[in-house]
Amino acid sequence: EADIYQTPRYLVIGTGKKITLECSQTMGHDKMYWYQQDPGMELHLIHYSYGVNSTEKGDLSSESTVSRIRTEHFPLTLESARPSHTSQYLCASSVGLANTGELFFGEGSRLTVL
Amino acid sequence: GQQVMQIPQYQHVQEGEDFTTYCNSSTTLSNIQWYKQRPGGHPVFLIQLVKSGEVKKQKRLTFQFGEAKKNSSLHITATQTTDVGTYFCAVASGSARQLTFGSGTQLTVLP
Repeated sequence: EADIYQTPRYLVIGTGKKITLECSQTMGHDKMYWYQQDPGMELHLIHYSYGVNSTEKGDLSSESTVSRIRTEHFPLTLESARPSHTSQYLCASSVGLANTGELFFGEGSRLTVL
Repeated sequence: GQQVMQIPQYQHVQEGEDFTTYCNSSTTLSNIQWYKQRPGGHPVFLIQLVKSGEVKKQKRLTFQFGEAKKNSSLHITATQTTDVGTYFCAVASGSARQLTFGSGTQLTVLP
């Protein structure tokens, strides 16, 4: 079983609020990712990190920001949420830096912005 | 980024029928991974293929990697209701250190 946790699982908030989605893994993985997925649709990479103090933007432009101060923790922040941010956000991690290994996903955070 | 096409987008089968989903790339791939996502769930890793022409089996699931390493398929023999979900391929090519996911094939199995 993968040890990667996301909170909150569900969040309903009003426009303009600041939110942080938490993601933690206890596997010691160097690589961590955030994907955005609308219901029934493909996964889009929005942020990734290869280790502490390393963050990169993914293929899909996002107004969110991330930080990687500790290996196990990769939070995602939206400074001012809008209805267009309504989606599911999936955090994942993988071992190794030189190759693209198996991704372990958290259970996701379903965000609804009213 | 890497472009990958996955077909079909949807597939409805009667329980006991076979099912196949295909993943195609215009460029040579380093490897390809397959994931399954149950309705309301998160993607779960199934397998990774690395070698040209590779074939791997997991019970009723057969995975193939094309000889040119540009396409792959996932075949399920005698589907069961537990096979319901969306199957995604995820690819990496060249020096890319992150995966690009296909659009997925949503499988419905009718009892």
